Amino acid sequence: QLVESGGGLVKPGGSLRLSCSASGFDFSDTWMSWVRQAPGKGLECVARIKSEADGATTDYIAPVKGRFIISRDDSKNTLSLQMSSLKTEDTAVYYCTTDLRVNNVGGVFYFYAMDVWGQGTTVTVTS
Amino acid sequence: EIVMTQTPLSLSVTPGQPASISCKSSQSLLRGDGKTYLYWYLQKPGQSPHLLIYEVSNRFSGVPDRFSGSGSGTDFTLRISRVEAEDVGIYYCMQSKQFPRTFGQGTKVDIK
Repeated sequence: QLVESGGGLVKPGGSLRLSCSASGFDFSDTWMSWVRQAPGKGLECVARIKSEADGATTDYIAPVKGRFIISRDDSKNTLSLQMSSLKTEDTAVYYCTTDLRVNNVGGVFYFYAMDVWGQGTTVTVTS
Repeated sequence: EIVMTQTPLSLSVTPGQPASISCKSSQSLLRGDGKTYLYWYLQKPGQSPHLLIYEVSNRFSGVPDRFSGSGSGTDFTLRISRVEAEDVGIYYCMQSKQFPRTFGQGTKVDIK
């Protein structure tokens, strides 16, 4: 289960920190992502962080690079997204999700992608 | 960036009839490990998306067997053998071969 928090109303140029609390799976071994959905639009994966075992490498899409920071605290099973220099186009529902994880199904290894999603937290950037 | 293109963008289906959604990627989703990283999701109205199909053709836990996925390389299809009222929503394909993960535009399915 994933539960997001931290969304809200913020002015352009402002900052916001989203959090996601994970339970029910091995968080420390799981790559995690933040996916957003602007009002009436489709899904966009904005950031991804690998597990500590894989170097905790982070990746960002171009529109948020340099403004957003994804991080994880495996001791607290928590994923975070620090957002700064917010723009009106960042307005969206932000979902925390598992990114890619391996599963043994009947002796065969498969990769689940985004198999667990939070309920989403709404970020509104407006003056 | 891999571009994912879905067709059609909307579909109106009579209950009990089949439905099919196409998804094409701008490059092959086959990786060196022999796996193809193509996934299907359904976002029901007012809900978060949820996983239906992983690695092209494998139904996720709890997904009814009326859902099936097929395809290879750059061309993929999601089929619903007999649409039910609970299947309404927006269907997305997604590639996780590389970052950024990219989704199709979504196909809105409703009931006639």
